Amino acid sequence: AQTVTQSQPEMSVQEAETVTLSCTYDTSENNYYLFWYKQPPSRQMILVIRQEAYKQQNATENRFSVNFQKAAKSFSLKISDSQLGDTAMYFCAFMSNSGYALNFGKGTSLLVTP
Amino acid sequence: DSGVTQTPKHLITATGQRVTLRCSPRSGDLSVYWYQQSLDQGLQFLIHYYNGEERAKGNILERFSAQQFPDLHSELNLSSLELGDSALYFCASSPGTLGRPLHFGNGTRLTVT
Repeated sequence: AQTVTQSQPEMSVQEAETVTLSCTYDTSENNYYLFWYKQPPSRQMILVIRQEAYKQQNATENRFSVNFQKAAKSFSLKISDSQLGDTAMYFCAFMSNSGYALNFGKGTSLLVTP
Repeated sequence: DSGVTQTPKHLITATGQRVTLRCSPRSGDLSVYWYQQSLDQGLQFLIHYYNGEERAKGNILERFSAQQFPDLHSELNLSSLELGDSALYFCASSPGTLGRPLHFGNGTRLTVT
């Protein structure tokens, strides 16, 4: 089974600053899908961004962007102009090309401070 | 609002009991997934149904079972409950097309006492 590793259990950033959350994964597949989900204190799971492995271009959604390094099996999330509402647990997730379920990392708890 | 509805929001029950969690997927979605989130285990995939048929099993205990009905809603049955089954149980849905993101419900918080 593919493993997803988030090596930063907790991070902190000041409002308006930029922060990068790390994620690495292990797979022997050439095509797959990667996601970042956000879980605020309300415990909802909210999709942040999606990346297809066969696309070279890094995905971007407003203040959120990814740095996808396929050879290194790395998929980091950059949050620009951090806002207090970005405080949440962030999960990196992998979807195989042969399956439909998501395999999640353990998460990174991000605190945005004033 | 993701469009995925889970009931109940909270459930408190005793060890040895049986409970049923219910999920209605987003309109048009054919796939339903169940996940368990406990403090020390993160989000664990339990089971996936597509249009009424079981497609994949994850770390689902034999005491747990699920099904998806013709109207596409799904139920997760948990029996012989143990203290360690206390967790947040999420249902998610997707169209069933590879690569499409899962959309999660708000979860059911199960407390076993």
